[in-house]
Amino acid sequence: AQKITQTQPGMFVQEKEAVTLDCTYDTSDQSYGLFWYKQPSSGEMIFLIYQGSYDEQNATEGRYSLNFQKARKSANLVISASQLGDSAMYFCAMREGQGEYGNKLVFGAGTILRVKS
Amino acid sequence: EAGVTQFPSHSVIEKGQTVTLRCDPISGHDNLYWYRRVMGKEIKFLLHFVKESKQDESGMPNNRFLAERTGGTYSTLKVQPAELEDSGVYFCASSQGASGGRSVGETQYFGPGTRLLVL
Repeated sequence: AQKITQTQPGMFVQEKEAVTLDCTYDTSDQSYGLFWYKQPSSGEMIFLIYQGSYDEQNATEGRYSLNFQKARKSANLVISASQLGDSAMYFCAMREGQGEYGNKLVFGAGTILRVKS
Repeated sequence: EAGVTQFPSHSVIEKGQTVTLRCDPISGHDNLYWYRRVMGKEIKFLLHFVKESKQDESGMPNNRFLAERTGGTYSTLKVQPAELEDSGVYFCASSQGASGGRSVGETQYFGPGTRLLVL
């Protein structure tokens, strides 16, 4: 079964500094996708970034980048130049393969990030 | 473009009552998913519609939960009768899905969730 592990329940970062949120995954499938979502205090889930298992380059989206280390099965999110608005819960999620049914997301427990001014 | 919307945003009911949650996906998205986050636990998949058909309902906890998507547009999730352990946040997500939702890279866009409290 798939599993996503986020080992950091909470993180602090100083405004304008970079921060890395850890995510490791467990899968026996060769084809899978990794996602990061942000959940601010208002509650909505905002898609941030996607990495495919066959993608050779690390994904980047503005200040977000994904440090994908396939051999280590890790997909850490890096936020550069942190802003106060980055304070939120961050979830790592995975979709496996192309099974018989549509591919649901499996989520980690989340990491709460607080940006200090 | 309007995002995924959910109604109500909050619901407080007594044990044994019925509650119906509604989700309106992004227009044109064939795939609609329901997820749930119970307090202190991970977000868990409940079920997946492709248009009006249930593609995967392996995450539905028991037969007190009934999901429908008549006409392939909005979806409802009914809990009847509600129990204390049903409390949590219910999220809906949608994706475009010409692949029927099977592409590993297909992004699911989430709604703001419905916060359900069963007393």
